[in-house]
Amino acid sequence: SYELTQPPSVSVSPGQTARITCSGDALPKQYTHWYQQKPGQAPVLVIYKDSERPSGIPERFSGSSSGTTVTLTISGVQAEDEADYYCQSADSSGTYVFGTGTKVTVL
Amino acid sequence: VQLVQSGAEVKKPGASVKVSCKASGYTFTTYTIHWVRQAPGQRLEWMGWINAGNGHTKYSQNFQGRVTITRDTSATTAYMELSSLRSEDTAVYYCAREGVGASEFDYWGQGTLVTVSS
Repeated sequence: SYELTQPPSVSVSPGQTARITCSGDALPKQYTHWYQQKPGQAPVLVIYKDSERPSGIPERFSGSSSGTTVTLTISGVQAEDEADYYCQSADSSGTYVFGTGTKVTVL
Repeated sequence: VQLVQSGAEVKKPGASVKVSCKASGYTFTTYTIHWVRQAPGQRLEWMGWINAGNGHTKYSQNFQGRVTITRDTSATTAYMELSSLRSEDTAVYYCAREGVGASEFDYWGQGTLVTVSS
């Protein structure tokens, strides 16, 4: 299996932009997805296939990919965006992996 | 779409636990169900999956030999059984449905807390 590495924490003021990275050697070959998890709740899919947004997810959430790094961007951060965020991918053998997780704090 | 899991469990070290995940609102056999766990304060950890149509499974090497995932198509329910429990297995266990074609988890169960304590 392989590892997906995220920064442990990101702090941002309301209205500013938060960027969360996810790095892994296999990422150029596989799609990456992003989940938001608030305390005591199940994760929620916010971005899939690197940059697609599920219905119901606000437009301020976006994703991009470049080489071995994918990035989740939250534009115009709101207090309700404070949560843990995880990237996730899968390899060609059917093994799945989550990133190390990033805690987003809204100052 | 709904995934409804069974209730919290308390088990002793060395015992086994079986958690269920009842699916509704879609054709059960068309999708793959995954199991993911999260120990207190820790990251999400993928455990394995089952193709609800043909019953094929794949497990994380971290749980190989201790985890068994099954399904009952008539009951539209998936099950995860973890054996030889130890205190480090104390966690919330989630089932999640894999979306079509891209390996994302589009719907999740509410989670089941399993506590392993003597």
